[in-house]
Amino acid sequence: GAGVSQSPSNKVTEKGKDVELRCDPISGHTALYWYRQRLGQGLEFLIYFQGNSAPDKSGLPSDRFSAERTGESVSTLTIQRTQQEDSAVYLCASSPRTSGIWETQYFGPGTRLLVL
Amino acid sequence: GDSVTQMEGPVTLSEEAFLTINCTYTATGYPSLFWYVQYPGEGLQLLLKATKADDKGSNKGFEATYRKETTSFHLEKGSVQVSDSAVYFCALRFQTGNQFYFGTGTSLTVIP
Repeated sequence: GAGVSQSPSNKVTEKGKDVELRCDPISGHTALYWYRQRLGQGLEFLIYFQGNSAPDKSGLPSDRFSAERTGESVSTLTIQRTQQEDSAVYLCASSPRTSGIWETQYFGPGTRLLVL
Repeated sequence: GDSVTQMEGPVTLSEEAFLTINCTYTATGYPSLFWYVQYPGEGLQLLLKATKADDKGSNKGFEATYRKETTSFHLEKGSVQVSDSAVYFCALRFQTGNQFYFGTGTSLTVIP
């Protein structure tokens, strides 16, 4: 079956522009995560959606970052007024349920963002 | 704060060699521990996990044992194959909360 997909796969933008990244989770997965991975660093948690509950935004690095998800479908991560330090790979993951420690995440291939 | 520290790579091994990738963690509670793998051109996928001290996770010939006394979760495989070439990530998650804490990843290349 189809896995998690992300688009675009690569994005080059100029400093100060807004960008929108898209994630299509696996159908039926109620949980969705966004991560950022800077070059040579680990994955940095950004935001978590679980069904219709309020999202956990505790990982968003600044108010330039926002994300939306309608129900259990597509999610978009928006970065406003991009800065060079926003350059990274942005990963999306979805999970069939929140069951505590047994949760398995399914990752997309990522969007590689380069801010010039 | 809570964190995961992984052995730095890249690691290059010959086929059938023994593999160890070190992972240690810092945590105030009792996390679950994971190894994820990313094959070339693919997304991260769960390789194995352990949820409490002394548990051993295993999959595809890989093993890791949750060592509370040394706060470690080292990944091992007795005989690597070319198809094991990938980037390996150690991660932890607490029973409460939504965040995973990932290491920086270790790149493994296995040569024939």
